[in-house]
Amino acid sequence: AQSVTQPDIHITVSEGASLELRCNYSYGATPYLFWYVQSPGQGLQLLLKYFSGDTLVQGIKGFEAEFKRSQSSFNLRKPSVHWSDAAEYFCAVALNTGFQKLVFGTGTRLLVSP
Amino acid sequence: NAGVTQTPKFQVLKTGQSMTLQCAQDMNHNSMYWYRQDPGMGLRLIYYSASEGTTDKGEVPNGYNVSRLNKREFSLRLESAAPSQTSVYFCASTPGGHRTAAFFGQGTRLTVV
Repeated sequence: AQSVTQPDIHITVSEGASLELRCNYSYGATPYLFWYVQSPGQGLQLLLKYFSGDTLVQGIKGFEAEFKRSQSSFNLRKPSVHWSDAAEYFCAVALNTGFQKLVFGTGTRLLVSP
Repeated sequence: NAGVTQTPKFQVLKTGQSMTLQCAQDMNHNSMYWYRQDPGMGLRLIYYSASEGTTDKGEVPNGYNVSRLNKREFSLRLESAAPSQTSVYFCASTPGGHRTAAFFGQGTRLTVV
């Protein structure tokens, strides 16, 4: 069965510093890949997605992610973090079917220090 | 433009009580899903409905039932609530077809005492 690993439970970054959140997946083929963000008490908002093609994908709020097939990774990056980026971030994969059964990682909580 | 709407937002139940969580989407999406979110475990799929008239079990279906009432609505029922069902429940929908992304509701925080 496919699985998603987010090795960092918490990450603290200074405001203005760069950010990289790690995501590794286990799946026999290339799945569809997603990053979602969840602010406290809120639902999940899609940051970006990868289906195929260019391995560097751009998302909302200045985020980007790079798909590396050889490493089974889909890491999320942002060059300069803002205090409003403090939230929980989830990586997810979906099978290549006509609908989506998402498998989520356990999440990484981002804290932004002044 | 409401998107995915869940009701209620908060609920406290006693062990053994039943309740139904409601979900409605106004995006004309074909597929709908129920997930639960527990600390340190991410979100796990409970049930899904790939299209109107069909429902299937996800990863953690025990203790739950679902109904796809029509294309817009997908409800989740707890027949006899247990403390292990204390969680935050999210409904989601997708248009159907390939290369789409899920839209999530705001969640229902359920506590079973």
